[in-house]
Amino acid sequence: GENVEQHPSTLSVQEGDSAVIKCTYSDSASNYFPWYKQELGKGPQLIIDIRSNVGEKKDQRIAVTLNKTAKHFSLHITETQPEDSAVYFCAGLGAGSYQLTFGKGTKLSVIP
Amino acid sequence: SAVISQKPSRDICQRGTSLTIQCQVDSQVTMMFWYRQQPGQSLTLIATANQGSEATYESGFVIDKFPISRPNLTFSTLTVSNMSPEDSSIYLCSANRESTEAFFGQGTRLTVV
Repeated sequence: GENVEQHPSTLSVQEGDSAVIKCTYSDSASNYFPWYKQELGKGPQLIIDIRSNVGEKKDQRIAVTLNKTAKHFSLHITETQPEDSAVYFCAGLGAGSYQLTFGKGTKLSVIP
Repeated sequence: SAVISQKPSRDICQRGTSLTIQCQVDSQVTMMFWYRQQPGQSLTLIATANQGSEATYESGFVIDKFPISRPNLTFSTLTVSNMSPEDSSIYLCSANRESTEAFFGQGTRLTVV
């Protein structure tokens, strides 16, 4: 089955700087890669996703890039704000599956 | 997106008792899942809730401990049976439609004492 590795486990940035979180996956047939943001005491919230037929997707300050050859994808947050502080999870979906495989999460702290 | 309501949001239970968690989606969905999330950890899939049939459990989870119902396309329950302190965790309901975007409820924080 799919295996998703996520790095780093913790990340601290100054407000206004950029943050990058990286994930690798094992199943070359995987075709869908969402990113979730989980704030304390809340469920994971889908913030952006990318499918295997595109290399990059942007939504305001958030972008995701996908390198199918290397089997890795990354979340980029620009102009970070204190409200970006949360745990971020990447996930992968294998071909023909409805079950997401999650990375272990990255705790992002944005320092004012 | 789908709005998923879970209840209770939190509970403190005595060991040996059972708790049923309810998950209601505001529209029909194809798939519903139940996850467990230990504090500071990632999400572990417990089972897929199948409408009108028995749930499909992941390795390490059994029906006797975590019975699941899904009577229709918008509602599911997870019961944590014969609880022990090791069952203390956050339990999350998830749902998605054909497009594969998965959405989560706010979670149920369970403490077993």
